[in-house]
Formats: sequence, C-alpha cells, structure tokens
Amino acid sequence: AQRVTQPEKLLSVFKGAPVELKCNYSYSGSPELFWYVQYSRQRLQLLLRHISRESIKGFTADLNKGETSFHLKKPFAQEEDSAMYYCALSEETSGSRLTFGEGTQLTVNP
Amino acid sequence: KAGVTQTPRYLIKTRGQQVTLSCSPISGHRSVSWYQQTPGQGLQFLFEYFSETQRNKGNFPGRFSGRQFSNSRSEMNVSTLELGDSALYLCASSLHSGSQYEQFFGPGTRLTVL
Repeated sequence: AQRVTQPEKLLSVFKGAPVELKCNYSYSGSPELFWYVQYSRQRLQLLLRHISRESIKGFTADLNKGETSFHLKKPFAQEEDSAMYYCALSEETSGSRLTFGEGTQLTVNP
Repeated sequence: KAGVTQTPRYLIKTRGQQVTLSCSPISGHRSVSWYQQTPGQGLQFLFEYFSETQRNKGNFPGRFSGRQFSNSRSEMNVSTLELGDSALYLCASSLHSGSQYEQFFGPGTRLTVL
C-alpha cells in the first residue's frame, strides 16, 4: 500500500537560513506528489506539485524516484513561512484521492 | 468566487447517535472528497464523489457513508457514533476527478463525540 512519511514533526530555523522539509514515499507505480500548507487559522491549500516543476513562494521540490523522496526546500526562510506542511501522494488511477504524510510544523524564528 | 463551505462548523454528539455533515463545493466543481483529521492518524481519505457517484473509498467502516446531489453538494453521514470518531472532517472540491485538478479545501467541521 502507498505510504507517505515525514520524519520531522517539528522543524525550527532562523530567518534567512535554508530550510528543507523531508518527505519519503512508498508506492510501486508512478505517483504524483504534492506539498500542501496550512497557515495559522487558514485552510489547507496546495503549495506545489512535482509535475509543474515550478517555484512557489521561493519553495521548490524535486521528485527523486531512486530515493523515493520529494523534499521541500527554500534557500532563505521567512517568518511568514511558519506553517504546517503536508506532503501528499496521488496514485495513477485513484481519482482525486490523496494520501497524506503526518505533517511538519515549521517555525521560522526572527 | 466563494470557497468551499462546510456546515455545521462545530458539532457535539453522544455515542450511538448519528450525524450528517454538509459540504458545498466551489461553483462548477463536480468532485468532492472527504477526509478525517485526527492528532493520532493525521489526514485520512474517506471517499470521493464525482457526478453523484462514489469514485473512491478509503479504509473506513460502513458506518461512514456519503452521497452527492445533482448540484454537486455532498453530505457525509456517520451512524452509531463512537468516541474515536471525534475529529475534524474536511471536504475538498475540484473541477473534475483526477490528480491533475487542484483540490480546494473547506474549513472543516469539528465533531466531538461524548
């Protein structure tokens, strides 16, 4: 069965420091990977998806099929990046179904 | 464009009762998915409805059911409530069914079972 693992529940960095949120997955097919973000008192929203290969709010994520990873990176963290981040996986034939990781709470300190 | 709305926002029920939660998708969206969020299990997929048909179902007991109406609004029902059903229930809508369509989440319904 598919599984998404985010090894860090909490991550704290200082403003201006690089940040990397880890995500590993297990799935035998060709998955589509996503990062979702939930800012304080806001709804869960899509941050980026691997298939679009774009940078959103300075964040990038590269799908590494060899290591089955999809880590989220930003070279210079900002205080407004503090939020809960979820990695999610979608299977080829599962419609809109998403399998989420446990989430990582990122805190960017001033 | 109005976002996904969920009603009610908060519910308190007792064990053994049943509950119905409602989700109104973004206008024009035809796919609605439901998720249960708990501190212990995280976000878990319940089911997806598309064009009034259940498209996918997660690993939940039969006490959890849902339906979708012709206007794409969706309801989920939980019968014979258990303490463990206390959770935040999120719904998400997308234009069509499929991972290529961005899902938009609602604010959730917080269900407490006493």
